Amino acid sequence: DAKTTQPPSMDCAEGRAANLPCNHSTISGNEYVYWYRQIHSQGPQYIIHGLKNNETNEMASLIITEDRKSSTLILPHATLRDTAVYYCIVSIDRDDKIIFGKGTRLHILP
Amino acid sequence: DGGITQSPKYLFRKEGQNVTLSCEQNLNHDAMYWYRQDPGQGLRLIYYSQIVNDFQKGDIAEGYSVSREKKESFPLTVTSAQKNPTAFYLCASSIDGRATEAFFGQGTRLTVV
Repeated sequence: DAKTTQPPSMDCAEGRAANLPCNHSTISGNEYVYWYRQIHSQGPQYIIHGLKNNETNEMASLIITEDRKSSTLILPHATLRDTAVYYCIVSIDRDDKIIFGKGTRLHILP
Repeated sequence: DGGITQSPKYLFRKEGQNVTLSCEQNLNHDAMYWYRQDPGQGLRLIYYSQIVNDFQKGDIAEGYSVSREKKESFPLTVTSAQKNPTAFYLCASSIDGRATEAFFGQGTRLTVV
């Protein structure tokens, strides 16, 4: 079973920041938080990951709470091309099976 | 270019027939995975392999079989024992099983009639 809980869907206006929450209250000390997204009928694509500190790359930012029980993926300026299902996953760094939950379906509104 | 390739993209089979889905990667990844996705649902893990000649069942392995005779290849057979085989099947690979470096193929959409 997935170790994460996400809202099933969210809306965001184009050009605004999209903030996608994820709860992972049972996360272990050696587990990372990963985010992937899946555009319709394609394979999922890696976005970002983190352990304790906040992370930022060219696609998004990841904010992890101090107790590590939840995190937020931030898409700073959402575009229509960001419409996708976003998956939050927790996993140890290696030799672990990768379990996806149901994700959040993000709708970007023009 | 390095990548992971699934073939075919669309596959139609008659009920009761076994069918094998191909997955090949040239990324030199140790781990490979098979997922099933039903309409409007998330990905569910069928089988995974961390090393050649070894594989483990995922959450929904019943009615499926795999082999891992070569590092580059991880074919999935959907057998007649799988009650609802029509679905979108995704293959992935990663270095040492790291979720951060999982690459996915474009998927095979299997329809059983």
